Amino acid sequence: GQSLEQPSEVTAVEGAIVQINCTYQTSGFYGLSWYQQHDGGAPTFLSYNGLDGLEETGRFSSFLSRSDSYGYLLLQELQMKDSASYFCAVRGSGGSYIPTFGRGTSLIVHP
Amino acid sequence: DAGVIQSPRHEVTEMGQEVTLRCKPISGHNSLFWYRQTMMRGLELLIYFNNNVPIDDSGMPEDRFSAKMPNASFSTLKIQPSEPRDSAVYFCASSPPPSDTQYFGPGTRLTVL
Repeated sequence: GQSLEQPSEVTAVEGAIVQINCTYQTSGFYGLSWYQQHDGGAPTFLSYNGLDGLEETGRFSSFLSRSDSYGYLLLQELQMKDSASYFCAVRGSGGSYIPTFGRGTSLIVHP
Repeated sequence: DAGVIQSPRHEVTEMGQEVTLRCKPISGHNSLFWYRQTMMRGLELLIYFNNNVPIDDSGMPEDRFSAKMPNASFSTLKIQPSEPRDSAVYFCASSPPPSDTQYFGPGTRLTVL
């Protein structure tokens, strides 16, 4: 099976940098993705890491270490609109490539 | 591109009634996923189709739940009979080959009284 661990809540102030960690256990590994979900909305894709290292997309970056079964999402220059839930998700490389989502991290950005 | 389309957006029904949720994936996407989201259990994968074929339905909670994908542009999730514990937001998502990115629909908020 597959399981993911991420913090339930993170708080930060506007303009700061915040890192949301994700550790996973999976039989085989295909990739680690990050999604953002605002209250009442649908998850939207942010970033994907298939190989080790850092992927940068504007203010958001995502990192993966396959040897440590670990990844993180880095949000820079935080804005109030970044207050949302952030989910990491993995797909195993064996069998049917079932995607599994973590429980989500609620990010609260204060002025 | 209209994105993934789901209907209805909201559904309120009474226990024991049949509920049918509908999804139109993004054109050209060959993978389709049904999820259920609740505060208690988070975002759970119910079933996953690839090229209209169900690949994994191990997340379907019980026989009251069934899903079909008769063609590449339409899928349904049916609950019969519905129970109050089925109350949740149900999301449909699609993914293009060979990408791992999932595009979610707006969801259907189901309330079973």
